[in-house]
Amino acid sequence: DAGVTQSPTHLIKTRGQQVTLRCSPKSGHDTVSWYQQALGQGPQFIFQYYEEEERQRGNFPDRFSGHQFPNYSSELNVNALLLGDSALYLCASSSPVHARSTDTQYFGPGTRLTVL
Amino acid sequence: AQTVTQSQPEMSVQEAETVTLSCTYDTSESDYYLFWYKQPPSRQMILVIRQEAYKQQNATENRFSVNFQKAAKSFSLKISDSQLGDAAMYFCAYKGRGSQGNLIFGKGTKLSVKP
Repeated sequence: DAGVTQSPTHLIKTRGQQVTLRCSPKSGHDTVSWYQQALGQGPQFIFQYYEEEERQRGNFPDRFSGHQFPNYSSELNVNALLLGDSALYLCASSSPVHARSTDTQYFGPGTRLTVL
Repeated sequence: AQTVTQSQPEMSVQEAETVTLSCTYDTSESDYYLFWYKQPPSRQMILVIRQEAYKQQNATENRFSVNFQKAAKSFSLKISDSQLGDAAMYFCAYKGRGSQGNLIFGKGTKLSVKP
């Protein structure tokens, strides 16, 4: 049973550039959430995608956008990168809304983004 | 707004001993979920245990158990027979039943296990 996968593992960008991070959910899951984890902090919710639409959004600027594909995989895009965007970006998936455990999110290994 | 507080930045335990990690939360909701996640140096956030607020019985998963005190808004994690592999950051997280995606995390507790 494949878990949540993310790519790439590490990424280095410079200020002002744009970046795309990718996530494939756990088998059988259709909902994907993205989190930003700064060094020494707990993860902060960015947004969640379900049925190819953004369903809920945290307190992040419009520079952060996303997409979900028909196969439930998802992308996180960040434009005009700032030094403060350096963080671990975590993707989490959860089971379909009709399932019992919709409220349990399973995480991928993350993408470490460094902005220079 | 809901908040989660972990008041112990670091904890240490001797191998085979028992340790308890503390978590308190603030919410006006009556129905919600609470979680403990483990994050080892490999960075993967691993679900340890899950508690549904409407269930009075404390959740248990092998060596891991919780003490859920709803009135006190407290949700502590007890690790019994600690093993070297338990060394990691532990995060307490809250999710309202009506909240579709938003897990709210504490700042974490770094657990060290001494051989």
